[in-house]
Amino acid sequence: EAAVTQSPRNKVAVTGGKVTLSCNQTNNHNNMYWYRQDTGHGLRLIHYSYGAGSTEKGDIPDGYKASRPSQENFSLILELATPSQTSVYFCASGESQSQNTLYFGAGTRLSVL
Amino acid sequence: GDQVKQSPSALSLQEGTNSALRCNFSIATTTVQWFLQNPRGSLMNLFYLVPGTKENGRLKSTFNSKESYSTLHIRDAQLEDSGTYFCAAEAPQGGRALIFGTGTTVSVSP
Repeated sequence: EAAVTQSPRNKVAVTGGKVTLSCNQTNNHNNMYWYRQDTGHGLRLIHYSYGAGSTEKGDIPDGYKASRPSQENFSLILELATPSQTSVYFCASGESQSQNTLYFGAGTRLSVL
Repeated sequence: GDQVKQSPSALSLQEGTNSALRCNFSIATTTVQWFLQNPRGSLMNLFYLVPGTKENGRLKSTFNSKESYSTLHIRDAQLEDSGTYFCAAEAPQGGRALIFGTGTTVSVSP
C-alpha cells in the first residue's frame, strides 16, 4: 500500500509568520502534489512536482512556494501566512507513467490567527 | 469547480438501498478517478478509470468520455459507505494533476 506522510497534522500560526508543511512518500513516485480543501471548493491544486528539483504552479499558487529536494520529500512554504490560508492541506503522490493513481496523506489542518 | 460538476451535492440513504452519483466534465479528459473522504478526513482512492466500467464489491463506476460524464453506483448501502465522494479529471496542464469536483456527501442511516 502506498504511503504518504504529512507533518505536522495540526498547526496554529500567526499572521505574517512563516509556515512549512512537509510531505514524505515511500512509493518512489515521480509526481507529487499539494492541494488545499475548503468548504464549497473541493480540493484545489497549489503546486506540483515532476521529480527532485522540479516545482510547478498549480491553479492557486499565490502566497505559496514549494520545494522538492528529493524524490521522497515535497514541502509547501507559506513565507508570510495570512488568515485566508487557514485550511486543510493535502499532499499526494502519483506515478507519472501509465496509471497515475493518486495517493493522499492524512492532511494538515492549518489555522492562521 | 465548474470544470468538474458533481451531483447531487448531498444524499441520504437507508441501509440496503442503491443509489448513483454523477460527475459531468466540461474539460477534455481521458481518465477519471473517484475518491472517498471518510468522516475522519482521510482520502481513499476508489477507482481509476479509462473509458469503460469497473466494479469493486458493492461499488461500480462508469466513465463515458464521448459524453463527458462518469457515474458511481452504490449497491446495498452500508453505514461505512458514509462520507464525501469526489470525482476528479486529469487536468490539461502537465504533471497529470487532478481537477476535483466539489463532492457528494453521502449519509447512510440504519
